Amino acid sequence: DTGVSQDPRHKITKRGQNVTFRCDPISEHNRLYWYRQTLGQGPEFLTYFQNEAQLEKSRLLSDRFSAERPKGSFSTLEIQRTEQGDSAMYLCASSRHPTGEDPETQYFGPGTRLLVL
Amino acid sequence: AQTVTQSQPEMSVQEAETVTLSCTYDTSENNYYLFWYKQPPSRQMILVIRQEAYKQQNATENRFSVNFQKAAKSFSLKISDSQLGDTAMYFCAFTLEVLSDKLIFGTGTRLQVFP
Repeated sequence: DTGVSQDPRHKITKRGQNVTFRCDPISEHNRLYWYRQTLGQGPEFLTYFQNEAQLEKSRLLSDRFSAERPKGSFSTLEIQRTEQGDSAMYLCASSRHPTGEDPETQYFGPGTRLLVL
Repeated sequence: AQTVTQSQPEMSVQEAETVTLSCTYDTSENNYYLFWYKQPPSRQMILVIRQEAYKQQNATENRFSVNFQKAAKSFSLKISDSQLGDTAMYFCAFTLEVLSDKLIFGTGTRLQVFP
């Protein structure tokens, strides 16, 4: 079990540029979540996938944000036309969700810290 | 709306002592799940302990235990025999949607363990 990995760990970009982050979940996990954490706050839910299907998106996820999980394995989160308010830590988590049972523990990656200048 | 409140931004404790972190939440649902996550300075979030609301018995994991008061909507974390490695941000979280399991977090409590 290699854990959840995220790439890059740090990203500095200029306002208006596009950025893309990648998350590799634990291999047997069918659920993948994206959260955003700003300084001094707890993580906030952005979106989640079950296999390749994106099942829920938070209203925090503006039209500039798009997430994909094309083959039900890794996921990408793209932010277009970045703004300074997008500066945050972007966390990915994964879990194994058996239907009809209690929620499984979400395992988090180390996060990607984004700074928009 | 579902909310989680952690009223202690910072706490400190001496090594080997016991400390309790507070958490309250608000929901009108009856079935939900509560969690404490730890985020050390390296920033990777890890689960400390979880509690199913339908279980009356308080969860324990080694030195970590919870005091779950469903009527009061309170979910505190007790750390016994504190260790230097317990220094971290601690987040209380809950989920009530079995279908999505998305976590709703509090703002966190920064715990410093002193030698």
